[in-house]
Amino acid sequence: EPEVTQTPSHQVTQMGQEVILRCVPISNHLYFYWYRQILGQKVEFLVSFYNNEISEKSEIFDDQFSVERPDGSNFTLKIRSTKLEDSAMYFCASLNEGAENEQFFGPGTRLTVL
Amino acid sequence: LAKTTQPISMDSYEGQEVNITCSHNNIATNDYITWYQQFPSQGPRFIIQGYKTKVTNEVASLFIPADRKSSTLSLPRVSLSDTAVYYCFVDMRFGAGTRLTVKP
Repeated sequence: EPEVTQTPSHQVTQMGQEVILRCVPISNHLYFYWYRQILGQKVEFLVSFYNNEISEKSEIFDDQFSVERPDGSNFTLKIRSTKLEDSAMYFCASLNEGAENEQFFGPGTRLTVL
Repeated sequence: LAKTTQPISMDSYEGQEVNITCSHNNIATNDYITWYQQFPSQGPRFIIQGYKTKVTNEVASLFIPADRKSSTLSLPRVSLSDTAVYYCFVDMRFGAGTRLTVKP
């Protein structure tokens, strides 16, 4: 069964450093998403991406965040200057056209900012 | 934005039916209602989705009243492996989640 993959599984960084979280969505999916989950809290929407542009973003997704689909397979989330409060699990998800909200989630990247 | 409210936790026993209700009073006309399951250290997993009335698949049923201001996820005959957090999802937003604990 096809699945969404994410790398790395765990990233440790120093405050102020840039990080790039990588995702490989399911190959024929057209919609891509990033979410985050702070430890013990609910999953929060960050951004959705379709047709090579952001289609929606939340208030969390400020100027320090950016997304990119550099080639036909990868979908990345960049955090420009990490803060302590960026420590969380980051989940990538993808969706096929016509599947409404049946998003397929990756296993997540745990980001720890020291 | 649709705001969802669901119980923080529920307990059940193996073999019982579990119903988890989510309220979404300001749901928009074009919003679907989706439920996800999450195990510790894993990403959410799609369970079921509906727009109105009743939807059933091999793992769950979803009941949505005519006004669509709430929805109820029904899990028939739960087992220990159904212990997880269940999220109501509307308008790109997850609810706070309901932690279901199934006891033997």
